[in-house]
Formats: sequence, structure tokens, C-alpha cells
Amino acid sequence: NAGVTQTPKFRVLKTGQSMTLLCAQDMNHEYMYWYRQDPGMGLRLIHYSVGEGTTAKGEVPDGYNVSRLKKQNFLLGLESAAPSQTSVYFCASKYGISNQPQHFGDGTRLSIL
Amino acid sequence: RKEVEQDPGPFNVPEGATVAFNCTYSNSASQSFFWYRQDCRKEPKLLMSVYSSGNEDGRFTAQLNRASQYISLLIRDSKLSDSATYLCVVNGAGGYNKLIFGAGTRLAVHP
Repeated sequence: NAGVTQTPKFRVLKTGQSMTLLCAQDMNHEYMYWYRQDPGMGLRLIHYSVGEGTTAKGEVPDGYNVSRLKKQNFLLGLESAAPSQTSVYFCASKYGISNQPQHFGDGTRLSIL
Repeated sequence: RKEVEQDPGPFNVPEGATVAFNCTYSNSASQSFFWYRQDCRKEPKLLMSVYSSGNEDGRFTAQLNRASQYISLLIRDSKLSDSATYLCVVNGAGGYNKLIFGAGTRLAVHP
């Protein structure tokens, strides 16, 4: 059972480069989320989606864009990477409106030099 | 005030000890409550949901006090494998769509 799969697992970028992180889930979940986690801080929500073709801003959306063209995939884009975006990025998904927990991918470690 | 607050710890306890973690939340309209476990450099994993009447799963007991906006997690007979960071999670404003994660409480169980 794959669950939530994130690619890549690790990446090093130079300031100003762009990249896309991919999240794929095979549980037919309606909701998907992108978080970042920094040392000593809780998970912070970047963007989320409540269904195919929809996206919404979370707590820290600046510098990121997202797309949900297919229900199973949620892409996170960095158009012009900055050192402040060095972090561990987690994707999560859950069933629709219900008292259900989120299921997480194993993370992407991103360093911006 | 943070939406979800936890004592960061670390809690250093011997094997077999009982340890309790507390968490407070600010949104009185919150309806969903969870405890997640996160091992070093790994993804958060659901430990247990927290129900209004309190619930138990083996050595783990979760309690919810809505009046005080307070959640607790009790671990009995601690094992070395319980060493991890425990995250208190509450749904935020706007319903079930978004969860707010506490920064976590670190537990270290030693022989």
C-alpha cells in the first residue's frame, strides 16, 4: 500500500532556481495539504485543496504555488527559491468533510543555497 | 497566543514510567482532536484520535476537557520505542478542512 508518496526525497537548489514537489495519494482522498516544518516549530500549512481543480491558501503561502489537476496529485511549486524556504516539506491527505485524520507522506528535504 | 500550545519538554523518563503530556487550544469551536507521533526526521503518524468521553488504546489514554480547552495524553509502562515527539493536533477555524499542529513534546525513554 503506497499511501501518500512524495518526490523527490531530497533536493539542493541555488537561490532563484525553480522546482516542483510532487505528492501522489492512492486512497481516493478528497483533501490534500502541503506543510513545511522548521526546527522548533510545528507544522505550518502552506496551501491545501478540497478537491480536484481547487486550491486555497494556508498559513504561509507566500513564495509557493500549487495545482491539483488530478484528484490523486497535488503539486507544490517554488518559482524563485530563497534560502528562507529551506525546510522539510510534508504532504498529507484525508477523506472529505468528516472527523478524519490526515495521512502524511515521508517528506522532502529541501535546501536552498 | 498560539492556537495549540504544548510543553516542548524534553521529558526524560526511565522504562516502565508513566508520563503525561498536556496541550491547550484556543479555538473553542474546534471539534477534531488528535495525537500524532513523530520520530526524528520522519513524517508524523497518527497515534490516536481524542474523543469527548476520553479513550484508551493499550498503554495510551487520551482525555479531552472542552470547558478548559485542554487535551492530555497519558503513556503507561513506557518503552524505549516510545521515544519520539508527540504532536497535539486540533482542527482550526473553518471546520474540518485544516488542522493546527502544536510544536510537539519530546519524550526520551531510557533504560
